[in-house]
Amino acid sequence: DTAVSQTPKYLVTQMGNDKSIKCEQNLGHDTMYWYKQDSKKFLKIMFSYNNKELIINETVPNRFSPKSPDKAHLNLHINSLELGDSAVYFCASSFLRASGTDTQYFGPGTRLTVL
Amino acid sequence: KNQVEQSPQSLIILEGKNCTLQCNYTVSPFSNLRWYKQDTGRGPVSLTIMTFSENTKSNGRYTATLDADTKQSSLHITASQLSDSASYICVVVHSGNTPLVFGKGTRLSVIA
Repeated sequence: DTAVSQTPKYLVTQMGNDKSIKCEQNLGHDTMYWYKQDSKKFLKIMFSYNNKELIINETVPNRFSPKSPDKAHLNLHINSLELGDSAVYFCASSFLRASGTDTQYFGPGTRLTVL
Repeated sequence: KNQVEQSPQSLIILEGKNCTLQCNYTVSPFSNLRWYKQDTGRGPVSLTIMTFSENTKSNGRYTATLDADTKQSSLHITASQLSDSASYICVVVHSGNTPLVFGKGTRLSVIA
């Protein structure tokens, strides 16, 4: 009955590899997000999708590519991983777009470690 | 430049005591302001959301205030409990292309 789920919870990989993180929400929300939280615990939005359409695309390297097969899923694919990509990645969802007033629900996070 | 500054960076209080966390912002145009609680190893959980016209909003022992004129918000925690130990993050939302501006959070530790 988890509202926003992410897999895997932990991901350890070598520099240069390609990896994906999956996110699913069962809340019926129209908007989904990816956030990155660095070692200093600073959260920053990366992407936002509304009904499978890219709404927000912050200044992130094009090695990061979000993919939304349907409005309940927003996966994050990362190519050519670098040491600086090590962080915790959070998926979130909400009914309305990011500038609305409804609550965003966050997933448990995926801790990515690049060696 | 849109910014959100939180203070203090960290805080230690005794169980049962009250505390107030501060958030100052320069985000414009303003849409709403949110406070999140993030336990260690977990995703943030929404505590309050306030629009321009709201001065105060409560959620149990958490009370947020907003002064849109001075661009300041505070989160007051009453009768703190050990489970309040977490990071508290202030987020200001505007209607631009990059609508969410996050503060760096205040790390609260409640000790017995």
